[in-house]
Amino acid sequence: DAGITQSPRHKVTETGTPVTLRCHQTENHRYMYWYRQDPGHGLRLIHYSYGVKDTDKGEVSDGYSVSRSKTEDFLLTLESATSSQTSVYFCAISEIGEGPYEQYFGPGTRLTVT
Amino acid sequence: LAKTTQPISMDSYEGQEVNITCSHNNIATNDYITWYQQFPSQGPRFIIQGYKTKVTNEVASLFIPADRKSSTLSLPRVSLSDTAVYYCLVNQAGTALIFGKGTTLSVSS
Repeated sequence: DAGITQSPRHKVTETGTPVTLRCHQTENHRYMYWYRQDPGHGLRLIHYSYGVKDTDKGEVSDGYSVSRSKTEDFLLTLESATSSQTSVYFCAISEIGEGPYEQYFGPGTRLTVT
Repeated sequence: LAKTTQPISMDSYEGQEVNITCSHNNIATNDYITWYQQFPSQGPRFIIQGYKTKVTNEVASLFIPADRKSSTLSLPRVSLSDTAVYYCLVNQAGTALIFGKGTTLSVSS
């Protein structure tokens, strides 16, 4: 399995509080992604990064910000959490090279906003 | 919006071959066709990827006709542990993946 960890794995927080989720990789992959998954839906892209300090918005970026100061870490911040941000968050990494292009997913963070 | 259409659910029995067809009428020249598998409470896992014709690996085969407007994932002799959600995606290298709702495969004994 690709070396991807997410922390925390579970978190309960109150509406209006800031929350930061961390994705850490040991594969030295250039691309990193944050997705959210809600019941009955596939994964939806929040933000992605194509290099250190290079990030861009995805489909559902409102209310989220990201930072990538090192290759191995990609942080997702909810500046002021809302109940609609209750979800499972997945980080993914990828690299372009020979062979199939695939993304490797982390184990997920289950976030509950009360 | 997802760029693919696939059945919402399928049922099968252990030992049978399962074929899941995906429609991607607007596939671009640079797009690959990729299938992912997801178990409950886990992240998606890459199964197979192809561009045209047939691709086979140790777990599945992928059939792609010449016009590339559809593809079929074939799982030989499924077992209970193949019960999962299967996502069909079209994507280019280095780009984010656009997921639909996938196909929920239920395998019974």
